[in-house]
Amino acid sequence: AQRVTQPEKLLSVFKGAPVELKCNYSYSGSPELFWYVQYSRQRLQLLLRHISRESIKGFTADLNKGETSFHLKKPFAQEEDSAMYYCALSRGSTLGRLYFGRGTQLTVWP
Amino acid sequence: DAGVIQSPRHEVTEMGQEVTLRCKPISGHDYLFWYRQTMMRGLELLIYFNNNVPIDDSGMPEDRFSAKMPNASFSTLKIQPSEPRDSAVYFCASSYIQGNGYTFGSGTRLTVV
Repeated sequence: AQRVTQPEKLLSVFKGAPVELKCNYSYSGSPELFWYVQYSRQRLQLLLRHISRESIKGFTADLNKGETSFHLKKPFAQEEDSAMYYCALSRGSTLGRLYFGRGTQLTVWP
Repeated sequence: DAGVIQSPRHEVTEMGQEVTLRCKPISGHDYLFWYRQTMMRGLELLIYFNNNVPIDDSGMPEDRFSAKMPNASFSTLKIQPSEPRDSAVYFCASSYIQGNGYTFGSGTRLTVV
């Protein structure tokens, strides 16, 4: 069975500090991993997809198959990064259903 | 494309009343998902459809909940009768199988008093 774990429910950092939101997964096949972001009272939006290997809003995430992790990182956090972040997994290259973690609420203090 | 459209944005209803939430997915998307979001449980998948056919409804909490997708451009989630514990934000999302993740709607904030 597949599972996505985000160990931190809440994370607070000061503006300008590095931030890392953790995501671990379990799945025996080759998953595809995503990060979604939800700003206050808004819809969830796709932030990153691991196969794209791109940086969005300064965020990056690398899939580590050995550690089964897909941590989201940003070297210098900004106040506007404050949001709820969800890690998600799909089984294989065809999208189908996504399995979401419980989410991490990031607060960036001025 | 206007994205995934949900209506209403807000719904306040009395316990025992029937509630119908609506969703219009993005044209061409062959998957449609209904999620419920609460502080306690986070994001829960209720049901999803592929080509208008329900694939997995194991997340539907009780028989009070039902969902339909009569055609590729419309889906409903119905709660009858509603209870205060159904208060949550209900999101609809759509995707296509080779797609770049889901596109979520703006959600319906349901309050049952």
